Amino acid sequence: GENVEQHPSTLSVQEGDSAVIKCTYSDSASNYFPWYKQELGKRPQLIIDIRSNVGEKKDQRIAVTLNKTAKHFSLHITETQPEDSAVYFCAANPEMGDQLIWGAGTKLIIKP
Amino acid sequence: SAVISQKPSRDICQRGTSLTIQCQVDSQVTMMFWYRQQPGQSLTLIATANQGSEATYESGFVIDKFPISRPNLTFSTLTVSNMSPEDSSIYLCSVGWSGEQFFGPGTRLTVL
Repeated sequence: GENVEQHPSTLSVQEGDSAVIKCTYSDSASNYFPWYKQELGKRPQLIIDIRSNVGEKKDQRIAVTLNKTAKHFSLHITETQPEDSAVYFCAANPEMGDQLIWGAGTKLIIKP
Repeated sequence: SAVISQKPSRDICQRGTSLTIQCQVDSQVTMMFWYRQQPGQSLTLIATANQGSEATYESGFVIDKFPISRPNLTFSTLTVSNMSPEDSSIYLCSVGWSGEQFFGPGTRLTVL
């Protein structure tokens, strides 16, 4: 079955710098790759996603890139701000249904 | 997107007892998911609940311990049976919506 690995587990960056979180997946049939942000004590919320027919998607300060050949995708956050501090999860959808396989999460710390 | 509510938001229970968590969605959805999230950990899928059929459980989770009901397309319950302190966790329901998943606010369970 599908397996998703996420790195790093913790990432600390200076406010204003960029942050990059990387995920790899194993099932070449996976076709949907969302990223979720979970603030302390709150539910995970979808922040951006990408489907396998595109290589990059951008939404203001966040972007996701997908390399289907290498089976990896990355989240890029530019001009980081204190409110970006949270745990970020990547996921992959191995089938046409709605089930997701989750990465282990990355705790992003923005240093003032 | 779907609006999801869960009850209770938190509870403290004695070992050996059972707790039923309710999940209500404001739209009709085919697939509902129940997750467990230990502090600082990723999301672990317990089971997938489809209306009109038995829930599908992931490895390590059994129906006797986590019975699930799905009486209609907007509601589901998860029961945590014969609880032990190891069951202390956050339990989240989520729904599939056009390939995306939306989460309820979670139920924080503490077992003494």
